[in-house]
Amino acid sequence: EDQVTQSPEALRLQEGESSSLNCSYTVSGLRGLFWYRQDPGKGPEFLFTLYSAGEEKEKERLKATLTKKESFLHITAPKPEDSATYLCAVWSGGSNYKLTFGKGTLLTVNP
Amino acid sequence: DSGVTQTPKHLITATGQRVTLRCSPRSGDLSVYWYQQSLDQGLQFLIQYYNGEERAKGNILERFSAQQFPDLHSELNLSSLELGDSALYFCASSVGGQGAREQYFGPGTRLTVT
Repeated sequence: EDQVTQSPEALRLQEGESSSLNCSYTVSGLRGLFWYRQDPGKGPEFLFTLYSAGEEKEKERLKATLTKKESFLHITAPKPEDSATYLCAVWSGGSNYKLTFGKGTLLTVNP
Repeated sequence: DSGVTQTPKHLITATGQRVTLRCSPRSGDLSVYWYQQSLDQGLQFLIQYYNGEERAKGNILERFSAQQFPDLHSELNLSSLELGDSALYFCASSVGGQGAREQYFGPGTRLTVT
């Protein structure tokens, strides 16, 4: 059974204090890995898709990387507006694929 | 604003009842996905439709069903509701239908079963 584990469950940072969020996965046949950001009471907002080990993508203060077992979301010099829950999801399988989400990391950035 | 709309925003109903949630995808998107999000289970993928046809099925209960209409809007029907069905239900859309592409989520429908 596909498993996605995100750590830490919660992370509190000071503004400007860089850190990383982890998403480790066990799937049969990874097709893609997604990162989303979710604000309270709202739908997730798409950030990145990574398809193969070694791939990296960047957007503003965020950088996502992928290995064969895990993905990292690096946050450089975060600002209070980066506070949110960050979700990762893995896509695996064939025509009837599986899409499995982790439970997320709640990031709080204090000014 | 993702461009995906969902109605209603809130829904309160009793156990045993049936409800219908509605979703309109972004303009040009052919795929619609439905999700359930609860505090203990996190975000669970339920089902995907692509251009009117079921494309992939996740953890959807037999009491739940969905369809996508010719105008591409979709409805999620929940029947014989139980207390445990209380959750946020999200719809998302994407352009393609092959697999789970990057998706754009609606604001959700909060369902409370009493």
